Amino acid sequence: GAGVSQSPSNKVTEKGKDVELRCDPISGHTALYWYRQSLGQGLEFLIYFQGNSAPDKSGLPSDRFSAERTGGSVSTLTIQRTQQEDSAVYLCASSLAGQGTPYEQYFGPGTRLTVT
Amino acid sequence: AQSVTQLGSHVSVSEGALVLLRCNYSSSVPPYLFWYVQYPNQGLQLLLKYTSAATLVKGINGFEAEFKKSETSFHLTKPSAHMSDAAEYFCAVSGPLGGGSYIPTFGRGTSLIVHP
Repeated sequence: GAGVSQSPSNKVTEKGKDVELRCDPISGHTALYWYRQSLGQGLEFLIYFQGNSAPDKSGLPSDRFSAERTGGSVSTLTIQRTQQEDSAVYLCASSLAGQGTPYEQYFGPGTRLTVT
Repeated sequence: AQSVTQLGSHVSVSEGALVLLRCNYSSSVPPYLFWYVQYPNQGLQLLLKYTSAATLVKGINGFEAEFKKSETSFHLTKPSAHMSDAAEYFCAVSGPLGGGSYIPTFGRGTSLIVHP
């Protein structure tokens, strides 16, 4: 497919379990972003990758959250010891570049995480 | 620092009526401004963007927005609403951050409701 894909589309997990969310960006897009969308809260920035490095991790809400990107392509967002407040839609976006000019972001459909 | 305020979490219009969604921004540098639309269970899609060229920006689906520096506003309009316009709309501001990155800050969103 030509767009950004995310998996799984829905994830229900028990409190305290770890979860991994995956993002496949558009081929050739060097910049990748993770956001969290909670009801009525808009989009909360989590982390940004330029290539495989993450120059800005300022949005990660706690040390239970981590992310990596390999091969300049696929990214995984990991949440350890999930809490109920982690329940949200996690959106991934990619763009041609994050440096020097605001290229359009292309968003995936999101992963809806529910922590019970 | 940059921020976005979207006035009104919900806007309700009749089909065929004018659509006006309000966005005010705050930025310490000349901003880049965006409007995105999110349909149910989908990711965000770019409607239009302002990048310091023409102050009146035309986007997809008949939407347009006008950048007014004196009012720090970037309101979204459409002359005649269609039922298919019902969605969540997000305003975003972006400017050069540390390292030259452009990570947009999103507003909380405005839900557009269109009545037949």
